[in-house]
Amino acid sequence: DAGVIQSPRHEVTEMGQEVTLRCKPISGHNSLFWYRQTMMRGLELLIYFNNNVPIDDSGMPEDRFSAKMPNASFSTLKIQPSEPRDSAVYFCASSLSGGKEKLFFGSGTQLSVL
Amino acid sequence: DQQVKQNSPSLSVQEGRISILNCDYTNSMFDYFLWYKKYPAEGPTFLISISSIKDKNEDGRFTVFLNKSAKHLSLHIVPSQPGDSAVYFCAASAGGSEKLVFGKGTKLTVNP
Repeated sequence: DAGVIQSPRHEVTEMGQEVTLRCKPISGHNSLFWYRQTMMRGLELLIYFNNNVPIDDSGMPEDRFSAKMPNASFSTLKIQPSEPRDSAVYFCASSLSGGKEKLFFGSGTQLSVL
Repeated sequence: DQQVKQNSPSLSVQEGRISILNCDYTNSMFDYFLWYKKYPAEGPTFLISISSIKDKNEDGRFTVFLNKSAKHLSLHIVPSQPGDSAVYFCAASAGGSEKLVFGKGTKLTVNP
């Protein structure tokens, strides 16, 4: 199994630009999570989906952030417009729902907003 | 307000000795706890977990201890190896929820 695949690995953009991060979960997993890692806040959950439906988006910081999961094998996290304080590592993770399952993380996208 | 706290940003240990990583939580609804390990440029990977009905869980060199009254858990690594050098995240969930709340992490360095 290829694991959770995220793209791009690195993204450098200018303030005000739109940024789209992509994630392909592990085949067969039906829960998908977007996390953000910063020095100040550690790993914080932004949003998670179960069976392609958003369940909890309380961690999404602002309306500039949006996430979609059009099908079981693909999700996007979009930031529009981006700001320097959005600079962080964004992780996507997937799991099998129905219990206290372990998450499998992708390698992350390092986002730098200049 | 951090519900899961790892108050030591870093820890340095000599190879062969014990590493003890600590974690405190504030939410009494948390009933399942996990430790994840993260190497640079990689995503976190699951290490070990414990349910609130237990006070200890062991897996090879790794043991997690849970003290519910103190809302405290710790991860013991014995003996520590240089390959254990990584950032360790403590995480918790409540009531069967899939949502994990993570701490900020502790960077462990095991010196040869």
